[in-house]
Amino acid sequence: SAVISQKPSRDICQRGTSLTIQCQVDSQVTMMFWYRQQPGQSLTLIATANQGSEATYESGFVIDKFPISRPNLTFSTLTVSNMSPEDSSIYLCSVHNGSQPQHFGDGTRLSIL
Amino acid sequence: AQKITQTQPGMFVQEKEAVTLDCTYDTSDPSYGLFWYKQPSSGEMIFLIYQGSYDQQNATEGRYSLNFQKARKSANLVISASQLGDSAMYFCAMREGRGSWGKLQFGAGTQVVVTP
Repeated sequence: SAVISQKPSRDICQRGTSLTIQCQVDSQVTMMFWYRQQPGQSLTLIATANQGSEATYESGFVIDKFPISRPNLTFSTLTVSNMSPEDSSIYLCSVHNGSQPQHFGDGTRLSIL
Repeated sequence: AQKITQTQPGMFVQEKEAVTLDCTYDTSDPSYGLFWYKQPSSGEMIFLIYQGSYDQQNATEGRYSLNFQKARKSANLVISASQLGDSAMYFCAMREGRGSWGKLQFGAGTQVVVTP
């Protein structure tokens, strides 16, 4: 299975600032996704990161708040913009390739003060 | 509407015993996949087992097996011979249809605590 590196692993940020999370995969993958896990909750899909085009966002998530880039088949970034305490969550990158099950990065634990 | 339902918020199980985690799902798509993931307190999501809707046999992976009852739309995870390291949150997830490969919907999760 693909090795997924996610950075940073954790961060504490001030409200109103932005943070960019990186997801690097050791092989080319068809699809990359970003999920959010709020404290004590399950995972919710934010968006599908599309290579070379705009991400596809799920209901309740917008590009202005969560801009996503995917310049190639091994790398993606998620930015959490203008952060508020409600954005405190674990953010997870995941990848899917053909018939392989979906695998996740180790996640980014984000706390907003 | 909730697509994946896990009715057990938490469970205690003694070491070396088996435990069954319940998962029911709702879909009208004939093609779907069901997954179980383990999330320890450190936060990473660890893939455990997968069952495809067309698979004839129940999936097994080491101590993990999936009791797939298609007519009942249930996909329960069985962990045999529990170990202390099995203490974690367990999530059931579903992927629907051929047009949305990889897009997962998760249940609320079940917290498992293994006691000595």
